[in-house]
Amino acid sequence: GAGVSQSPSNKVTEKGKDVELRCDPISGHTALYWYRQSLGQGLEFLIYFQGNSAPDKSGLPSDRFSAERTGGSVSTLTIQRTQQEDSAVYLCASSLRQGSGNTIYFGEGSWLTVV
Amino acid sequence: AQSVTQLGSHVSVSEGALVLLRCNYSSSVPPYLFWYVQYPNQGLQLLLKYTSAATLVKGINGFEAEFKKSETSFHLTKPSAHMSDAAEYFCAVSDLNAGNMLTFGGGTRLMVKP
Repeated sequence: GAGVSQSPSNKVTEKGKDVELRCDPISGHTALYWYRQSLGQGLEFLIYFQGNSAPDKSGLPSDRFSAERTGGSVSTLTIQRTQQEDSAVYLCASSLRQGSGNTIYFGEGSWLTVV
Repeated sequence: AQSVTQLGSHVSVSEGALVLLRCNYSSSVPPYLFWYVQYPNQGLQLLLKYTSAATLVKGINGFEAEFKKSETSFHLTKPSAHMSDAAEYFCAVSDLNAGNMLTFGGGTRLMVKP
């Protein structure tokens, strides 16, 4: 596709359930990022994939959060045993490669509400 | 460690007035600086970026920003605000020490009054 595609665009889930959020990066982009945008918290880095290298997981807030990237393309962010504080917009982004000043392109986000 | 501070979480201007959104950064090495805009219920769209070429950077929709190393600033300006500029604006920094990861400021919500 022309841009970063995320699904679902909206998800309402019950507390304690697991959720999976999907990201399709721009074709050919080797770098993929997940960010979280919460009310009053700004944009928070979660995890970063670059090619076949081990991902940078330094931003994941707890062990309930995990992400994988299959075949160097599609990524899935999984949140286990969701809590109300997980409610946020989860933004995926991709860039052509790791390097100086490469533009990072964002998807429109997956809006997660935990009730 | 890199960081970004955006002064003013909310800025209100009249249509046709100058827009000035402030951004100051901290980075141990020469930074790459970005401004993104987020319209309601949409993702982030790149407005412009600084990557060590010209210090005055022109972006889309008539916005520009000037990199001032001595002030560690990258303020965003537009000579004349339009109603359609109402959105949230994020300044971001990345550098090689951070593996090209973007660190964002807290955002500034721009409101444009008729």
